[in-house]
Amino acid sequence: AQSVTQPDIHITVSEGASLELRCNYSYGATPYLFWYVQSPGQGLQLLLKYFSGDTLVQGIKGFEAEFKRSQSSFNLRKPSVHWSDAAEYFCAAYGNKLVFGAGTILRVKS
Amino acid sequence: GAVVSQHPSRVICKSGTSVKIECRSLDFQATTMFWYRQFPKKSLMLMATSNEGSKATYEQGVEKDKFLINHASLTLSTLTVTSAHPEDSSFYICSASIFPAGGPGEQYFGPGTRLTVT
Repeated sequence: AQSVTQPDIHITVSEGASLELRCNYSYGATPYLFWYVQSPGQGLQLLLKYFSGDTLVQGIKGFEAEFKRSQSSFNLRKPSVHWSDAAEYFCAAYGNKLVFGAGTILRVKS
Repeated sequence: GAVVSQHPSRVICKSGTSVKIECRSLDFQATTMFWYRQFPKKSLMLMATSNEGSKATYEQGVEKDKFLINHASLTLSTLTVTSAHPEDSSFYICSASIFPAGGPGEQYFGPGTRLTVT
C-alpha cells in the first residue's frame, strides 16, 4: 500500500540552529512529493514540491528538501530556524491521491 | 492567488442535527475539490474527491450517506454531516485543484472547520 512515514513525532531545536525533518515514502513508482506546514487551528500551506528534475528543491520561508530515490526519502531542511517556524509539518505523496505522513511537530527554543 | 476559504471556521451542534460546511475557491476555478478529516494529533485522511457536476468519490470506510458532498459549481463544494454524533467531532479541511482528480497537481487548502458535536 502507498504510505508516507515521518519517523519523528516531535522535534525541538534552538533558534538559529539547523533543522532536518525526515520523510520516507513507499510507492511502486516515484510519486509526486510535497511538504506542507500547519499552524495550530489552521489549514495547510505548501512549502515546496518535487515532481521531477533537480533533486534539491527550494521552497518558501528558506526551506529546501532533497529527493533521494535510493533511500525513498524526501527530507526537509532549513539552515537556521526562526521561532516563527514552530508548527506542524506534513510530508505528502501523490500517486493517485494525496497521502500524508503523520506529521512532525517542531518546537523552537529561544 | 489560489485562495480557498471555508465557512464556518467553527461550529458546535447538537447530536442528531445536520451541519453544512462550505468550501470556496476565491480566485480560481477548481476542477476538483477534496475533503479531508483530521483527528486530534493525527494526520489528514482523505474522505472524498468531488468534481463539479458529478457525484463525489468516497474513500473506503467513509459513509456517503452521512457525509454528503455537493460540488455545484467550479468554485463551491459543500460537505454536510448528517445526523451528527459526538464521534463526528473533528477538524475538516477542504482543498481545491485546477487539475482533474487523476492529475498530480498542487492542491490549495482551506483553513479548516472545527466541528464539535455535543
